[in-house]
Parts: sequence; structure tokens; C-alpha cells
Amino acid sequence: NAGVTQTPKFRVLKTGQSMTLLCAQDMNHEYMYWYRQDPGMGLRLIHYSVGEGTTAKGEVPDGYNVSRLKKQNFLLGLESAAPSQTSVYFCASRQTGAPDTGELFFGEGSRLTVL
Amino acid sequence: TQLLEQSPQFLSIQEGENLTVYCNSSSVFSSLQWYRQEPGEGPVLLVTVVTGGEVKKLKRLTFQFGDARKDSSLHITAAQPGDTGLYLCAGVRYKLSFGAGTTVTVRA
Repeated sequence: NAGVTQTPKFRVLKTGQSMTLLCAQDMNHEYMYWYRQDPGMGLRLIHYSVGEGTTAKGEVPDGYNVSRLKKQNFLLGLESAAPSQTSVYFCASRQTGAPDTGELFFGEGSRLTVL
Repeated sequence: TQLLEQSPQFLSIQEGENLTVYCNSSSVFSSLQWYRQEPGEGPVLLVTVVTGGEVKKLKRLTFQFGDARKDSSLHITAAQPGDTGLYLCAGVRYKLSFGAGTTVTVRA
């Protein structure tokens, strides 16, 4: 009954350090997404993937990279963390089909603080 | 600027009262979703509305999609502490865009 699992749940970084957030889903979903959530700004899409081996930029991709080497995993990387990247990061997945009615399944979030 | 504007940003009411949350835009959407997010968790889908003028009910929650498919509302009747959370609307217009959310607190 895992659904979408994110690791780690919490992380504190110093400016300039790098890290990777891992998202794993066990629902065989094709589409996967990385969002960041900041107070008063809602959820903003960073990058997404429509299938294994594919990635695409969302609305706020700068400073982040992603990879989808396996269908069930979607990795979000920060090569050189900046304080502006302090946020709560959410991974989500959904089945293929029209986006109009597709339900997004979210992980529990990863809280990242960059000092 | 957000494509979807939610109001109010915060809402605190007493148990048993009614509340309405609004989601407005100048753009037309092919569908609109409402999610609820509890502290420390990810959003969970409550409902999807796809037809202009559509009304959907989920127990004490009533969702309405505007006739022109530019806005939506969420009405909770006789709110309970378990309704506390962040309510997010999300509209599909080529892609899914989220509003900033309304934080609802229901006091016992």
C-alpha cells in the first residue's frame, strides 16, 4: 500500500552542497512530477516525465536536474544548493490518459532547508 | 501572478458553521480538481469537475464548476475539526496549474 514514497523526508544543506531526492512509485504510473510548495505560492512544477527515459522542464526548472532511468523512480537533483531552494518538495504520479481527469497521487513531501 | 486565484487565503471557523472557498480565473479550463492537504502530508484528490455548471457532492462538501468553466467553489456544510487542512484547486488548461490554496481551520 506504499503508493508514492519520497526520501529523505528532511534534509539540511549548506549553500553550494549537492543532493538528490528520490521518488519511488509502485502503481506502474507512466507520468511522474516534481513540485515545490512555498507559502502563498501553491504547488509549482519543477520537472516532469511522461515515461521511462524521458524528462521535461516545468515552470521553475532552474537549479534542478532530474532523471528517470527506471519507470518506478524519478530523481530530483540539486547540483549547487541555494537558500532560494529552501522549500517542501513533492513528487506525484498519475496514469496515462488525458490530463483533464487524471488524479495525481502525491508523496508525503521532503522538507529541504538550505543555509 | 497565479493563473488560479483562491480566496480567502485563510479561514477559521467554529465547528458546525458553514464555509465557502472560491477558485477564480480569467482563463477557461477543461476541468478543475480540488485537493485537500493535511499538515505533513501530500495533497489528496477530493473531486474533479469537467462540465460547466456541474455540481458534485461528497458528503458535507459541495463542489461547483462555473458555467463558463473559469471558476469553482467548494462549500462545506456543518464543518468539523476533521475538515481542517489546506484546500487546493487545480485547473487543466493544456497542463495542470494549482492555486495557492486556502488554509481552513475548524475549531472544536
